[in-house]
This record gives sequence, C-alpha cells and structure tokens, in this order.
Amino acid sequence: KQEVTQIPAALSVPEGENLVLNCSFTDSAIYNLQWFRQDPGKGLTSLLLIQSSQREQTSGRLNASLDKSSGRSTLYIAASQPGDSATYLCAADAGGTSYGKLTFGQGTILTVHP
Amino acid sequence: DGGITQSPKYLFRKEGQNVTLSCEQNLNHDAMYWYRQDPGQGLRLIYYSQIVNDFQKGDIAEGYSVSREKKESFPLTVTSAQKNPTAFYLCASMENTEAFFGQGTRLTVV
Repeated sequence: KQEVTQIPAALSVPEGENLVLNCSFTDSAIYNLQWFRQDPGKGLTSLLLIQSSQREQTSGRLNASLDKSSGRSTLYIAASQPGDSATYLCAADAGGTSYGKLTFGQGTILTVHP
Repeated sequence: DGGITQSPKYLFRKEGQNVTLSCEQNLNHDAMYWYRQDPGQGLRLIYYSQIVNDFQKGDIAEGYSVSREKKESFPLTVTSAQKNPTAFYLCASMENTEAFFGQGTRLTVV
C-alpha cells in the first residue's frame, strides 16, 4: 500500500528566503504526483502536476521535481512571500485500476514572516 | 466560472441523524471523488465515481453512501452508522490526471 510522507511538518522562514519542501513515497510505480496548497478552512488548490515520465515542472516561483527511483519529490519556492503561508500537500496517483485515487501526505505548514 | 461547488460550508448533525453533503461541478469531468480530512492527517478517500451511475468504495467507506445519477452531481450521505463523522469533507473532480477540489464542508456532531 502506498504511503506518502512530508517533511518537515512545519516550517517558518523570513520573507525572501528560498525553501524546499519534501515529499517521499514508498511505491515508485506512480502515475503522477501533484502538489497542492491549502489555506485555513479552505479547499485545495492545484499547484503543479508531474507526470511519471517528467522530471520537473515549473510555475512562476514554484518548481517541483520528481525522482521515481528514489521515491522522492521536492517543491522549491523561490523568494518566499507572506502570501505563500499555507499548508502544502503532495499526493501520488498510482494509475491503472487505481487511476485518480490519490494518496496524500500529511502536509507541511509553511509560515513566511515579514 | 467553471468549478466545483460544495454546500453547505458548515453542517451540524445530531447523534443518529443522516445528513447529505452536496457537490456540484460544471467542468464536464467524468470522475468525481469524496475525501475526508482530519486534523494532523492527510486526506483519505471515501468514495469515487469514474462515470455516471457507477461508484466505488474508497479506503474509509463505512458509514457513508453516495449516488451518481448525473454527471454534474455527486452527493455524499453521512449515515448514523458513521461513529466519528466530525471532519472536513472535500469533493474533487479529475480531468487529464489533474484533480480539482471544492471549498469543503465542515461537519460537526452536536
């Protein structure tokens, strides 16, 4: 059974710092990996989707990488801003008969202070 | 605007009562999902539907029921058999392997 772990559980950084959030998964046979952002009391907003055939995806100040062989994905946030404060979740899709059934990590709570 | 609408935002349930959470999407997506989120835990899959008139149990389906009579709608009923229903419930749809979520319903047992 796929298990997804996110480290660290919480992170507090000063504004302007570059930072890395980590996501590891136990079964490397994933179809894709998706990163989400969740604001308090809100739903999830999709940030980046990396297909299994890809190594990374970029959107603005965000860059996500995927290394299936080591079972790891990282989300890199450049020049962090207070508005980046939120919980960041990663989720693995096993594909095949489990297509669309996402396995989530517990999230990293990010606080960017001015 | 296209998206997923969940209602109500907050819901209170008395002991032994069934309640239904609404999820509507106008994205024309075939697949829809219900997840439960508890503090300190990741999201867990309750039920999913990949096509109209068909749905499958997820990892924690006990005490829940769903229907999928229309492509746009995937309501979730929390029955009295669910012993610990207080949680944040999230509905999602999927297209081209990317998932899109609603704003959630917070259910509290009183």
